[in-house]
Amino acid sequence: NAGVTQTPKFRVLKTGQSMTLLCAQDMNHEYMYWYRQDPGMGLRLIHYSVGEGTTAKGEVPDGYNVSRLKKQNFLLGLESAAPSQTSVYFCASSYVPGRIDYEQYFGPGTRLTVT
Amino acid sequence: GIQVEQSPPDLILQEGANSTLRCNFSDSVNNLQWFHQNPWGQLINLFYIPSGTKQNGRLSATTVATERYSLLYISSSQTTDSGVYFCAVDRDDKIIFGKGTRLHILP
Repeated sequence: NAGVTQTPKFRVLKTGQSMTLLCAQDMNHEYMYWYRQDPGMGLRLIHYSVGEGTTAKGEVPDGYNVSRLKKQNFLLGLESAAPSQTSVYFCASSYVPGRIDYEQYFGPGTRLTVT
Repeated sequence: GIQVEQSPPDLILQEGANSTLRCNFSDSVNNLQWFHQNPWGQLINLFYIPSGTKQNGRLSATTVATERYSLLYISSSQTTDSGVYFCAVDRDDKIIFGKGTRLHILP
């Protein structure tokens, strides 16, 4: 049981380049989330999904797109990277249908630098 | 939107001391979790506690939902307790994190 995994762990992009971050979970969770964490800050929700084929905007969605084509995967895309998107990105998942708790489990993070 | 305030922002303690971390939230919430982010950046679940009290070893947490706050107690601190402690609340499927309490335990 790997839990939540993220690919890649580190990436450096030039301004204007695009990339996709992959999150995978093997816990049969319905909900998945993408966060960013900036120095000295808590985590801020970018986008989330409450089930396969669904996505919704979080607190800071601008400049990002997401897709949830399979239940176990949640992709975060940056179409045209900007230096303001330099951050550590965390993916999380939660909720097994039939259970009452929504405890979140986090991946190890992806450190992205945009120059 | 809902506001989540954590206090104190920073805390430095000697090994063996006890501490209480507080999380206030501005509106009713469906769920509340406490996390520890270790010095390597890993986020670890501590408690899922929308209400009531839970204990796990030296750590315990209490949430009083009607008064919109939660407390995390750490007893007999160890250096491995160092890091940042976050509370996060869930309302309408949106998760809002506080800015955290940075705890530094001195040997």
